[in-house]
Amino acid sequence: SYVLTQPPSVSVAPGKTAGITCGGNNIGSKSVHWYQQKPGQAPVLVIYYDTDRPSGIPERFSGSNSGNTATLTISWVEAGDEADYYCQVWDSSSDHPGVFGGGTKLTVL
Amino acid sequence: QVQLVESGGGLVKPGGSLRLSCTASGFTFSDYYMSWIRQAPGKGLEWVSYISTSSSTIYYADSVKGRFTISRDNAKNSLYLQMNSLRAEDTAVYYCARDPSAGHFDYWGQGTLVTVFS
Repeated sequence: SYVLTQPPSVSVAPGKTAGITCGGNNIGSKSVHWYQQKPGQAPVLVIYYDTDRPSGIPERFSGSNSGNTATLTISWVEAGDEADYYCQVWDSSSDHPGVFGGGTKLTVL
Repeated sequence: QVQLVESGGGLVKPGGSLRLSCTASGFTFSDYYMSWIRQAPGKGLEWVSYISTSSSTIYYADSVKGRFTISRDNAKNSLYLQMNSLRAEDTAVYYCARDPSAGHFDYWGQGTLVTVFS
């Protein structure tokens, strides 16, 4: 089955740019979606189809996907961005198609 | 506004059963694919099961296949997860999530906790 690999943690100072990677075999050929989850809350979709932002998500959140790595980029990081972030793909060639990465804890220093 | 409300979680012994429900409002339920996704305490997200709009296509994670059954009642705007032969490793918060494209999850419920222990 398809595997997505994320770094367990990323740290960034306020006002700087954070990049959270999601690795997978030829992930560039798939659509990648990103979710933010704060403690005690349900996940929230922040990027879908690699680069699209749902309404209400700040422009500071952006995504890219190429080769074997997809990246969620958060510009001008704020304290409120501290959360767990998960990448996800739908492996339509599989009979268990839903796949999440292991998650990355973003810490704002 | 879109709302998804899960219910039916609780404490159950290994080998027992539970039926989770998810009631949808604020959108045309029958137009959307739906999934269940779970999160064990302190762990990451795990996709569990998917059902298409007409229930014609259903998928399960290997970890629950043969034990869990997903279903929906479009007339009642409801999604279900029948969980049998429960194991300690099924302990998790279970979320229902709306899927507009058979690929991602744009709205999530607040989750219902299932605890399997003896």
